[in-house]
Amino acid sequence: DIQMTQSPSSLSASVGDRVTITCRASQSIASYLNWYQQKPGKAPKLLMYASSSFQSGVPSRFSGSGSGTDFSLSINGLQPEDFGTYYCQQSYSPPWTFGQGTKVEIK
Amino acid sequence: EVQLLESGGGLVQPGGSLRLSCAASGFSLSNSAMSWVRQAPGKGLEWVSGFTTSTAGTYYADPVQGRFTISRDNSKNTLYLQMNSLRVEDTAVYFCAKGGGGGFAYWGQGTLVTVSS
Repeated sequence: DIQMTQSPSSLSASVGDRVTITCRASQSIASYLNWYQQKPGKAPKLLMYASSSFQSGVPSRFSGSGSGTDFSLSINGLQPEDFGTYYCQQSYSPPWTFGQGTKVEIK
Repeated sequence: EVQLLESGGGLVQPGGSLRLSCAASGFSLSNSAMSWVRQAPGKGLEWVSGFTTSTAGTYYADPVQGRFTISRDNSKNTLYLQMNSLRVEDTAVYFCAKGGGGGFAYWGQGTLVTVSS
């Protein structure tokens, strides 16, 4: 199975900050990497797919990059509504594993 | 509009069985990649089982292999997860999700399964 490792596990940042979350795969997954945002009590929401493609409706302050084993999600100009937990997920081969999550808090 | 509505969760004793349903609308289940994803209380997301599209290949996570069975009824446009030999560690909110290689773009609201004596 492909293991996905995210860092950091949590972060606290101020409105307007640039925030970066990294995700590492245990083997190459090409660009089959997706990012989700989840708020408490809600279903996850797909933000980015194929590493750097925007899901419809996602603000342009979000960006994704990477290929192979190393990926990142950045939020350029953190907004109050960006709090929540972010997960990466590989869709290269089943089981389609998730990272352990990064909790983003607003200072 | 794509909608997914899970049902069938509840309280069950260890060793028991439960069948979850996910009623889909706004698209045809027959040619869609679908998965079940769970989230234990206070924990992260864990992919459980899924269908691919054209080949209808089915896949399971190691912790549920041999105990859970995913299926679909195209005439009812409904996805199922039959869960047998349930364990305390299967306690979670179970989500159905639509999507495959491009990620899970649509999710249901989830149904809570509690395994406890």
